Amino acid sequence: GDSVTQMEGPVTLSEEAFLTINCTYTATGYPSLFWYVQYPGEGLQLLLKATKADDKGSNKGFEATYRKETTSFHLEKGSVQVSDSAVYFCALSPPYSSASKIIFGSGTRLSIRP
Amino acid sequence: GAVVSQHPSRVICKSGTSVKIECRSLDFQATTMFWYRQFPKQSLMLMATSNEGSKATYEQGVEKDKFLINHASLTLSTLTVTSAHPEDSSFYICSAGFSGGVSYNEQFFGPGTRLTVL
Repeated sequence: GDSVTQMEGPVTLSEEAFLTINCTYTATGYPSLFWYVQYPGEGLQLLLKATKADDKGSNKGFEATYRKETTSFHLEKGSVQVSDSAVYFCALSPPYSSASKIIFGSGTRLSIRP
Repeated sequence: GAVVSQHPSRVICKSGTSVKIECRSLDFQATTMFWYRQFPKQSLMLMATSNEGSKATYEQGVEKDKFLINHASLTLSTLTVTSAHPEDSSFYICSAGFSGGVSYNEQFFGPGTRLTVL
């Protein structure tokens, strides 16, 4: 079945460091891919998305490119800030025409040191 | 646009009582709503999927008599935790989605409800 695998955390970086959180997926067809962020004590917020191969999603300095050939959707940011500390979830949605389930990865906790 | 609210944001109740959590789509009509449960430091576990006007579809292992879901309108779904026990304490998150348009398979998440059962 469809699944998402993301790197285990926690990930701890210093401010202004480069960030990569790896995500790979298993799915039939062309799913939509998402990164969600969860700040402490809050619900999930959509960070970025990509709906077809080679699309690049970007938001708030974060980027991820939909790579069909490697079935990956790695999250990157060139210079992280303390305010980026949160849990990041990679997710996919199967390519159906109706609102459908989202399959989440296990989440990666990111902590940024000042 | 695409805002989803949940109420209450936090609730504490005694063991054996029932608790109702509301999920509303504020600026769109949600054909489908989803209820998730999140344990500390873990990912979201889908509990059930509900379509307006029909019975919810529960995931394997989720007790439908314990977690009652009602989706009476295109903007409101409720989750009732019946006869709550301490092991039901968790963070419950709803999401809403709709068919058609650009975001045909995107869900919009509520802020979550923290339930503590004493």
